[in-house]
Amino acid sequence: QVQLQQSGPELVKPGASVRISCKASGYTFTSYYIHWVKQRPGQGLEWIGWIYPGNVNTKYNEKFKGKATLTADKSSSTAYMQLSSLTSEDSAVYFCARSGGNYGAMDYWGQGTSVTVSS
Amino acid sequence: DIQMTQTTSSLSASLGDRVTISCRASQDISNYLNWYQQKPDGTVKLLIYYTSRLHSGVPSRFSGSGSGTDYSLTISNLEQEDIATYFCQQGNTLPPTFGAGTKLELK
Repeated sequence: QVQLQQSGPELVKPGASVRISCKASGYTFTSYYIHWVKQRPGQGLEWIGWIYPGNVNTKYNEKFKGKATLTADKSSSTAYMQLSSLTSEDSAVYFCARSGGNYGAMDYWGQGTSVTVSS
Repeated sequence: DIQMTQTTSSLSASLGDRVTISCRASQDISNYLNWYQQKPDGTVKLLIYYTSRLHSGVPSRFSGSGSGTDYSLTISNLEQEDIATYFCQQGNTLPPTFGAGTKLELK
């Protein structure tokens, strides 16, 4: 079965960077997009960008350019998102999600990774 | 960016009720409308894609409809496990954008 397993919660200091991982299993990693989505406490969902592991093409929401960097390791079927120059505005739960490119739907989601930015 | 509006932020219903949740796009999204369920533990699942197509494993009591800018999700016979927050998302134009969510609670 399709699974996306994300790394654990992070507590980081303002100005630092953090890398979150998303390990895929149960399907061909290189044939589907991996999206990243942000959710602040009590708020809605915000799309950060996607990576296509087959050719490592990426697409970012303009709002997150310079903040998020998406990468993927085909050998371990793992996608990564690095967030840099962290502020309190980056405190959120971050989800990875898979899509096949059809209809823009994200059909399987990771469990989410909580990032808290605090000194 | 396309704005997605869910005018009802919370909704109370009883078990067995028929519940409808609405979503409006700021422009025509040509049926590229998807619905997600987020449980209280944070787990997110796709329910419906392309307005009315049921994702694999989703119970048939869930259905979707709409066109143009107006869409809806209907739960025909509310069960305890359906208590969650529901988000719509447009997949017509990048960036994908989500509604603010409708929280479904038991009356």
